[in-house]
Amino acid sequence: KQEVTQIPAALSVPEGENLVLNCSFTDSAIYNLQWFRQDPGKGLTSLLLIQSSQREQTSGRLNASLDKSSGRSTLYIAASQPGDSATYLCAVKALGGGADGLTFGKGTHLIIQP
Amino acid sequence: GAVVSQHPSRVICKSGTSVKIECRSLDFQATTMFWYRQFPKQSLMLMATSNEGSKATYEQGVEKDKFLINHASLTLSTLTVTSAHPEDSSFYICSARRTGGRNSGNTIYFGEGSWLTVV
Repeated sequence: KQEVTQIPAALSVPEGENLVLNCSFTDSAIYNLQWFRQDPGKGLTSLLLIQSSQREQTSGRLNASLDKSSGRSTLYIAASQPGDSATYLCAVKALGGGADGLTFGKGTHLIIQP
Repeated sequence: GAVVSQHPSRVICKSGTSVKIECRSLDFQATTMFWYRQFPKQSLMLMATSNEGSKATYEQGVEKDKFLINHASLTLSTLTVTSAHPEDSSFYICSARRTGGRNSGNTIYFGEGSWLTVV
């Protein structure tokens, strides 16, 4: 059974810093991996989607990498801003068969101090 | 962009009553929708996969008679929590997979979620 772990569970940094959020998964047979943002009491916003054949995706100040063989992904946030404060979730979609939903990590709660 | 709407966003109900949560894809068709539940400080957990025109597929440990899912159209899925109890209080969120179009199966759009409190 796929398990997704995110480290750290929480992070608080001053504005302007670059930071890295980590995600690891136990089963490398994935179809894709997504990073989401969740604001308190809100739904999820998809940030970046990486297909299993890709190694990284970039969107603005965000860069996500994927090392499928080692079961790892990182989300790099450059020049962090207070508006980046949220919970960041990593989720993987299984390759083939079974339920087609996503397996999520518990998330990293990020606070950017003004 | 694609939008998924959930309603209600917050609901409080008495123990023993039933409550229905709607999940709508507003500008696209979704053959498949997913229902998740998230307890505080826990991961989002997949409850069931909702397929238009057929029975939902439930994850192990999720009672299908308690969590009724109906996906009667390509834009609407509903989750009904029957005979709700305080332990059912949670954040319920749906997602929809866009049907048709290039790479449509790769991106999943999420609703805003629904907070259920059973008192």
